[in-house]
Amino acid sequence: QLQLQESGPGLVKPSETLSLTCTVSGGSISSSSYYWGWIRQPPGKGLEWIGSIYYSGSTYYNPSLKSRVTISVDTSKNQFSLKLSSVTAADTAVYYCARQPLITIFGVVIMGYFDYWGQGTLVTVSS
Amino acid sequence: QSALTQPASVSGSPGQSITISCTGTSSDVGGYNYVSWYQQHPGKAPKLMIYDVSNRPSGVSNRFSGSKSGNTASLTISGLQAEDEADYYCSSYTSSSLFGTGTKVTVL
Repeated sequence: QLQLQESGPGLVKPSETLSLTCTVSGGSISSSSYYWGWIRQPPGKGLEWIGSIYYSGSTYYNPSLKSRVTISVDTSKNQFSLKLSSVTAADTAVYYCARQPLITIFGVVIMGYFDYWGQGTLVTVSS
Repeated sequence: QSALTQPASVSGSPGQSITISCTGTSSDVGGYNYVSWYQQHPGKAPKLMIYDVSNRPSGVSNRFSGSKSGNTASLTISGLQAEDEADYYCSSYTSSSLFGTGTKVTVL
């Protein structure tokens, strides 16, 4: 059974960089069939896609966050990571990692839906 | 990118059917058959209920069904049960992922 687990600091100071890691177990992050994504949810609010990565390192980012986001992958550890720079209180949220089946349409590869999710981790931005 | 539009709340009595709408544009919902739906109970991670507009993952009740017409996708829950009370989010996916505003389903 595939499992994803987020880890990282629960408290980050304003203007600093938020760093989270997602560890995948029960499956290989190097599979050619999946992207791996980050999604966040501010308290009491809706879901927001942050970005996704393929095992090769190819990335897609939400345009609204692109200037502050870096997603990387470590296939040797079966992990992928999120860095969000210059955080403010508005970045306080539960952060989820998830798997996305890859879809090919007319020869173009795109990310799919999110079929497996981690339990989420709350990150609070506060001094 | 603006979030897809969903009604804030929908309610129904046990055994009834309800439908949640998800409105986007021709660039997302209307452009491709790539719409998914997620159920989220309080304090829990979202759970995939529907993908590719109308497909159910293994283990999801057939009381949940999805459809699409033009720029609007819909999730129908038939035979409403108390356990269906949750937040529901739609999402479109192509070169990026876009979520809906979310709908709180209440079972009266």
